[in-house]
Amino acid sequence: NAGVTQTPKFRVLKTGQSMTLLCAQDMNHEYMYWYRQDPGMGLRLIHYSVGEGTTAKGEVPDGYNVSRLKKQNFLLGLESAAPSQTSVYFCASRPWGSGGHNEQFFGPGTRLTVL
Amino acid sequence: AQSVAQPEDQVNVAEGNPLTVKCTYSVSGNPYLFWYVQYPNRGLQFLLKYITGDNLVKGSYGFEAEFNKSQTSFHLKKPSALVSDSALYFCAVTSGGSYIPTFGRGTSLIVHP
Repeated sequence: NAGVTQTPKFRVLKTGQSMTLLCAQDMNHEYMYWYRQDPGMGLRLIHYSVGEGTTAKGEVPDGYNVSRLKKQNFLLGLESAAPSQTSVYFCASRPWGSGGHNEQFFGPGTRLTVL
Repeated sequence: AQSVAQPEDQVNVAEGNPLTVKCTYSVSGNPYLFWYVQYPNRGLQFLLKYITGDNLVKGSYGFEAEFNKSQTSFHLKKPSALVSDSALYFCAVTSGGSYIPTFGRGTSLIVHP
């Protein structure tokens, strides 16, 4: 199993450009998440999904959109990139389990710089 | 609402000495508690979790954590630190029925040779 993979690993954008980050998992997990990690801020949840075809907003959703058309993929889109979106982005997945007691599996991250 | 506090941004310890990374939590209902480790330029990796049962939980790489309900704490410990343990450590909490874990801000562990 590859686990959770993210594409691309690095990207540099100019302000106003758009891009899509792809997260894929091969563990048949129900739940998927997008986080951003900034120095001193820990992990902040952008959007999440509890199943194919469903998405919901997290703590910092502004400027981002997501889609989960297939169970194994969770896409994060930036329609018009801003320098404030310079960050490291992590995707995670988690198997279904009542009560939230299952751990998350994280991808390796995408380092995004917006100039 | 649920929350996690990691009161130390950085912990320094000498190789061979015991280490403790602190975590306290607040949650309605029974907590599910997790520790993750992040090595430089990598994603987070699961270390251990407390769901129920024995308050002392053992995990990967010789780490363990002690759940203390009265103090609402879940401190990460290791009897003898290695230089290779140097990394960023995150504590997280969920509660029954929650899809969304809440993470602490992370503690940087530096083990000196």
